[in-house]
Amino acid sequence: AQRVTQPEKLLSVFKGAPVELKCNYSYSGSPELFWYVQYSRQRLQLLLRHISRESIKGFTADLNKGETSFHLKKPFAQEEDSAMYYCAPEAGTASKLTFGTGTRLQVTL
Amino acid sequence: EPEVTQTPSHQVTQMGQEVILRCVPISNHLYFYWYRQILGQKVEFLVSFYNNEISEKSEIFDDQFSVERPDGSNFTLKIRSTKLEDSAMYFCASSTGGDSPLHFGNGTRLTVT
Repeated sequence: AQRVTQPEKLLSVFKGAPVELKCNYSYSGSPELFWYVQYSRQRLQLLLRHISRESIKGFTADLNKGETSFHLKKPFAQEEDSAMYYCAPEAGTASKLTFGTGTRLQVTL
Repeated sequence: EPEVTQTPSHQVTQMGQEVILRCVPISNHLYFYWYRQILGQKVEFLVSFYNNEISEKSEIFDDQFSVERPDGSNFTLKIRSTKLEDSAMYFCASSTGGDSPLHFGNGTRLTVT
């Protein structure tokens, strides 16, 4: 069965500390992988995607096909990074996203 | 930057009533989606729509649900006879397809009493 797992519901870090939000997937084929973010009272929005290999707001995510993981990382957390983060593989003919349960990142001073 | 818009932002209805949730996708997008998020749970796929027909739907999307693109701009989700468990945040999304990202609306909070 196709599945995406985000093991942490809440991740609390201090400002300036490194961040790693975990995502593991179980999919047949080669899904496209995305991270979406939802800041307080805002809509879900794309943070980054595997295929573009870019860094957005200091975040990067490396696809590890051997471990079937797509962890999101940032070397130094900022207060404004506090949000819900969703890992989302995309598969199927209709470009359907399947969201993980999400991880709430809380950055404190 | 163009956005997906959803109305209303909050809808309260009584059990058994019909509701229609409205969405205006981004104008040049071809794929349309509905997702829902029950409070405290993950965002779940309901249905995708392309070329005026449903391309994929989840187990959640039963006979009580229907979607329509009545006039080339709106994309609606209808729940025929609402149940208490339909209470959730409903998100509309659109994309140009392929590997392009989905753009989400702000959501409609549906409360069934």
